[in-house]
Amino acid sequence: SQTIHQWPATLVQPVGSPLSLECTVEGTSNPNLYWYRQAAGRGLQLLFYSVGIGQISSEVPQNLSASRPQDRQFILSSKKLLLSDSGFYLCAGGRLSGNTIYFGEGSWLTVV
Amino acid sequence: EDKVVQSPLSLVVHEGDTVTLNCSYEVTNFRSLLWYKQEKKAPTFLFMLTSSGIEKKSGRLSSILDKKELFSILNITATQTGDSAIYLCAGRRDDKIIFGKGTRLHILP
Repeated sequence: SQTIHQWPATLVQPVGSPLSLECTVEGTSNPNLYWYRQAAGRGLQLLFYSVGIGQISSEVPQNLSASRPQDRQFILSSKKLLLSDSGFYLCAGGRLSGNTIYFGEGSWLTVV
Repeated sequence: EDKVVQSPLSLVVHEGDTVTLNCSYEVTNFRSLLWYKQEKKAPTFLFMLTSSGIEKKSGRLSSILDKKELFSILNITATQTGDSAIYLCAGRRDDKIIFGKGTRLHILP
């Protein structure tokens, strides 16, 4: 079965510092991969998605970026964090032919 | 622009009640409609719907899709306190999956 590993689980970073959240996928190849952000108790906002290595689509303009250096690795980055970047970040992935996408356990980011 | 709209945003009912959660969507190149339950961290998968009028059931939960009217409902019968969660609806295209804002359901004992 497919598993999404995401880390770190919790992160407290000062404003202006860099960010790197990493996500890896087990149990499948060539998945579609997604980064979502979730405001407290609300729905998921799609940030980036990728249908293949090196292919990144951005949904919202912001100071975040994403990269997919390997088939089953997806990285969310920032060069300089803003207070508004605080939130709960979820990585998800799955084959287009599958019934669903699977989620990682999420990363809580607090920018101070 | 693709969008998924869920209603109500919040719902409080008593244990044993039946609830209906709504989801409308406008998704180009629509492929399927997904429902998830989120209690603490990662959402867990409930249903995938691709065809109109075919009800999917899992225990006390059921869901149906209307592709003509572009909406889906999620029913929960005989609710229990363990059903308290955020329920997320999502529209899936070939490339991306768009989520609604969720319905926060709280079941009172």
